[in-house]
Amino acid sequence: GAVVSQHPSRVICKSGTSVKIECRSLDFQATTMFWYRQFPKQSLMLMATSNEGSKATYEQGVEKDKFLINHASLTLSTLTVTSAHPEDSSFYICSASSPTSGSFPEQFFGPGTRLTVL
Amino acid sequence: GQNIDQPTEMTATEGAIVQINCTYQTSGFNGLFWYQQHAGEAPTFLSYNVLDGLEEKGRFSSFLSRSKGYSYLLLKELQMKDSASYLCAALDSNYQLIWGAGTKLIIKP
Repeated sequence: GAVVSQHPSRVICKSGTSVKIECRSLDFQATTMFWYRQFPKQSLMLMATSNEGSKATYEQGVEKDKFLINHASLTLSTLTVTSAHPEDSSFYICSASSPTSGSFPEQFFGPGTRLTVL
Repeated sequence: GQNIDQPTEMTATEGAIVQINCTYQTSGFNGLFWYQQHAGEAPTFLSYNVLDGLEEKGRFSSFLSRSKGYSYLLLKELQMKDSASYLCAALDSNYQLIWGAGTKLIIKP
């Protein structure tokens, strides 16, 4: 149980275009979803936390107009990288949690999306 | 501020035992996680400790001392497939995960 999927797994796009990444909880309802970014040989950096039906909470230094997050349902959250630039190339990972998904506050991670902006 | 410290890299021999240490300073504390991450993949859950003591799960064990702000992950009978990064993460008072930079573990034959 507690499976999280992400789509696409890998995307290459031209500079200036927008890219949408989907994160789905397949077998539980995720009240909270998290979006992380990870650069090579670095740890996970939390970008934003989203609760279903409300606006996402962005971490300091993360541009909310550039990284649009929508958490419209209890099983789906999307991250849209708008006007992507080469410096946005990174590994984007989502995770999901639910008060009822386990005996402790575990986050279940998606497989990640490798974004390359040319 | 909030901070997690763990060694950047460790090397061990196949079949041996290795201990990866982690110290943390957080605003409040609701437990400590260890995750394993292979290159290019998402983290996978290994353990969760919220009370002091040792939790054993097969070849992997995790220890926590809340008074010292310290945890370690112990890996026994190392296998080549254990080569990965090991991430320590503490859950703060807002139930937000504070991540360490990860320890890259290299297993040699």
